[in-house]
Amino acid sequence: GENVGLHLPTLSVQEGDNSIINCAYSNSASDYFIWYKQESGKGPQFIIDIRSNMDKRQGQRVTVLLNKTVKHLSLQIAATQPGDSAVYFCAENRSSGGYQKVTFGTGTKLQVIP
Amino acid sequence: ETGVTQSPTHLIKTRGQQVTLRCSSQSGHNTVSWYQQALGQGPQFIFQYYREEENGRGNFPPRFSGLQFPNYSSELNVNALELDDSALYLCASSPGGRTGDTGELFFGEGSRLTVL
Repeated sequence: GENVGLHLPTLSVQEGDNSIINCAYSNSASDYFIWYKQESGKGPQFIIDIRSNMDKRQGQRVTVLLNKTVKHLSLQIAATQPGDSAVYFCAENRSSGGYQKVTFGTGTKLQVIP
Repeated sequence: ETGVTQSPTHLIKTRGQQVTLRCSSQSGHNTVSWYQQALGQGPQFIFQYYREEENGRGNFPPRFSGLQFPNYSSELNVNALELDDSALYLCASSPGGRTGDTGELFFGEGSRLTVL
């Protein structure tokens, strides 16, 4: 299958521990910030998003934190499971010329150690 | 509800050839975006189609072109293929149209293009 993890920074986490994946962004005009998960051989899958006027949002086992002062976004995964192993991308969504433009970062590979 | 489907899944072309990739959007979605993902990189935005018109484009040359059909399915065409065009081409659909929502994208599994 597609090895999208090649050359990407890697985070190795023990099963059951919490994972924190970080992302720096550059565009202060973004409306939403989004986290996607991409498993080998598959397209990216939406995990969670956060509006630019928020600083925290929680989902099922995941939390996204947004720090606009330092332009930093993080994804926290609680009780990491083997099925969480994948490449994680942060993305910015910005309205541009009447359409939604989603720009992806370079990604972080999460390896869960059983 | 049918998800986003892409074809072909894999193909091999030689430099200078032309390729057409196809995408069927998720039911109820009227917007299709195309992305290029090189190995080890994040997806790069190529362009977006809304109601059969291109309404946004990334930093890709004119030899990358597309179409959207009345049923919202879409094609990506690449002319005069170059070695650097080797990548995974992802199609994503969304219901949002020009404005509004978070821009959540629903991706297909991609078409892997190899240019020799």
